[in-house]
Amino acid sequence: DTAVSQTPKYLVTQMGNDKSIKCEQNLGHDTMYWYKQDSKKFLKIMFSYNNKELIINETVPNRFSPKSPDKAHLNLHINSLELGDSAVYFCASSQEQSGREQETQYFGPGTRLLVL
Amino acid sequence: LAKTTQPISMDSYEGQEVNITCSHNNIATNDYITWYQQFPSQGPRFIIQGYKTKVTNEVASLFIPADRKSSTLSLPRVSLSDTAVYYCLVGGGYSSASKIIFGSGTRLSIRP
Repeated sequence: DTAVSQTPKYLVTQMGNDKSIKCEQNLGHDTMYWYKQDSKKFLKIMFSYNNKELIINETVPNRFSPKSPDKAHLNLHINSLELGDSAVYFCASSQEQSGREQETQYFGPGTRLLVL
Repeated sequence: LAKTTQPISMDSYEGQEVNITCSHNNIATNDYITWYQQFPSQGPRFIIQGYKTKVTNEVASLFIPADRKSSTLSLPRVSLSDTAVYYCLVGGGYSSASKIIFGSGTRLSIRP
């Protein structure tokens, strides 16, 4: 009954490879996100989708391509992996609020990517 | 952009009250202040959110002065299990198009 799940949990791969990380949420939320957390614990947003539509696209190399087949899924595909891509990637979801308060984000357990 | 500044780390002992302050000098009128907690090898988890004055829930209290340029997360009687990284986040809802900036957080270590 995990609210936000990610697969795989660990991913070890060689430079230049292409890999995907999958995310699913069963909370019925409208918005999903991808974050990257580096070794210094700095958590940085990469993308945000609302109802399958790209909303936030931060300065991320175009080797990273999110795909949202439906409202409950937001996958992250990474082409030509580089050493600097090694990090923990978190998926999150939230429900748009009617008021102006900040939506509570629910995070997945993270995917630890190591590029060798 | 409402950037936040927090202490990099803090130490305390079990049973003590811990206060973590976050500075956000450029907070916008519509911005809310939200705190998240992250345990090792887990994703961040929502703790508390507020707009002004004081908010309290079963986990923590959030104190926000009148000028809203800072906020203080207060954890009463901490235990070892409160050892985590705490993030202060300032912004509005998705509809306000505020950028989502978590920052590097405060690493809280609780000792016996």
